[in-house]
Amino acid sequence: DGGITQSPKYLFRKEGQNVTLSCEQNLNHDAMYWYRQDPGQGLRLIYYSQIVNDFQKGDIAEGYSVSREKKESFPLTVTSAQKNPTAFYLCASSIIRDTRRYYNEQFFGPGTRLTVL
Amino acid sequence: AQSVTQLDSHVSVSEGTPVLLRCNYSSSYSPSLFWYVQHPNKGLQLLLKYTSAATLVKGINGFEAEFKKSETSFHLTKPSAHMSDAAEYFCVVSNAEYGNKLVFGAGTILRVKS
Repeated sequence: DGGITQSPKYLFRKEGQNVTLSCEQNLNHDAMYWYRQDPGQGLRLIYYSQIVNDFQKGDIAEGYSVSREKKESFPLTVTSAQKNPTAFYLCASSIIRDTRRYYNEQFFGPGTRLTVL
Repeated sequence: AQSVTQLDSHVSVSEGTPVLLRCNYSSSYSPSLFWYVQHPNKGLQLLLKYTSAATLVKGINGFEAEFKKSETSFHLTKPSAHMSDAAEYFCVVSNAEYGNKLVFGAGTILRVKS
């Protein structure tokens, strides 16, 4: 089956700890994204990467870090600097180029729910 | 700049009645528009997308949406609601001039009563 997997499904963190969320895709997509979802706020972009070994900050990157060492993988680290990390985190991927100019839909993983204790 | 406004945070319908979820967008250039659905504690699934080929777009599970440029709207409809349609729905705008980044609306929670 092709798709995006995220692990773990639920994650609990103590104050002051760093935690890493996993995201893997076997869709051969170039681009990968991390979003944070809070109730009533839609999704907000944390980081995105369009190519291996390169990534850009999104709208709310403070307190987060990422790496893109392999095309298939885009892990997100939530650091102790993130003041309010409790949220639902979603990973997505997409192709970069297509003959149809506006073909840029993103495919989403099942999400990781992070709770700070 | 781009933005999306979903006009209702909650919509409640009876099973078998029509569904209307409203979305207005703002984009400086010709946009791509999407509707995604999210069931509780799940990822997002694409319902349909507007790619400038046709203004009336048909999606999965009987949903459709009409792109109206003059009204800057992209409302989602379904003729007859099913209990399994109960979920949160997101209207999304994107544009190649903004690097194809997705901008999400705040979401509309659809409740279906039996």
